[in-house]
Amino acid sequence: GAVVSQHPSWVICKSGTSVKIECRSLDFQATTMFWYRQFPKQSLMLMATSNEGSKATYEQGVEKDKFLINHASLTLSTLTVTSAHPEDSSFYICSARPSGRPEQYFGPGTRLTVT
Amino acid sequence: AQTVTQSQPEMSVQEAETVTLSCTYDTSESDYYLFWYKQPPSRQMILVIRQEAYKQQNATENRFSVNFQKAAKSFSLKISDSQLGDAAMYFCAYSSGTYKYIFGTGTRLKVLA
Repeated sequence: GAVVSQHPSWVICKSGTSVKIECRSLDFQATTMFWYRQFPKQSLMLMATSNEGSKATYEQGVEKDKFLINHASLTLSTLTVTSAHPEDSSFYICSARPSGRPEQYFGPGTRLTVT
Repeated sequence: AQTVTQSQPEMSVQEAETVTLSCTYDTSESDYYLFWYKQPPSRQMILVIRQEAYKQQNATENRFSVNFQKAAKSFSLKISDSQLGDAAMYFCAYSSGTYKYIFGTGTRLKVLA
């Protein structure tokens, strides 16, 4: 139980284009979903928190117009990297928190490369 | 502000032996949660164990157990009978009312055959 999928697992895009990453909780309803970024050999950096039906809350320093988050349902959240640039290349990980529980379950991550 | 510190960047353990990973945290909250996650080379974050601050009893999951010292703000992870598959990065995490995680910097565990 408590499986989170993330799609795509890797993507290469050209500078200036937009990329959408999907995060789904497969066997539970997620009150809250989180988006992280992880640089090589570093810890996870929280980018934003999203609750179903409301606007995402972004961490300080994260550009909300560049990283658009939509939490359309209790099982789906999307992250769109708009006008991507090479410095946006990274490993993006989502997580989902089941309703009524404190722990987060993580997706397998998406490796984004912007050329 | 809350902080989480993992002071051991890397640890090694012989297969079948026991190893303890350290984690300390700082908070003024009385109600919170602590977690250990494992991140193998696949980079999939896997929940290893969870501890509620209000529970005095240390959490245990098979070969994994914690030593939760609330007054000392310490939350160490003990892995017994270490296996090759335990080799990974281990992250300690804290959360409270907002359920956002604060992660430590991680400890890389190597298991020697």
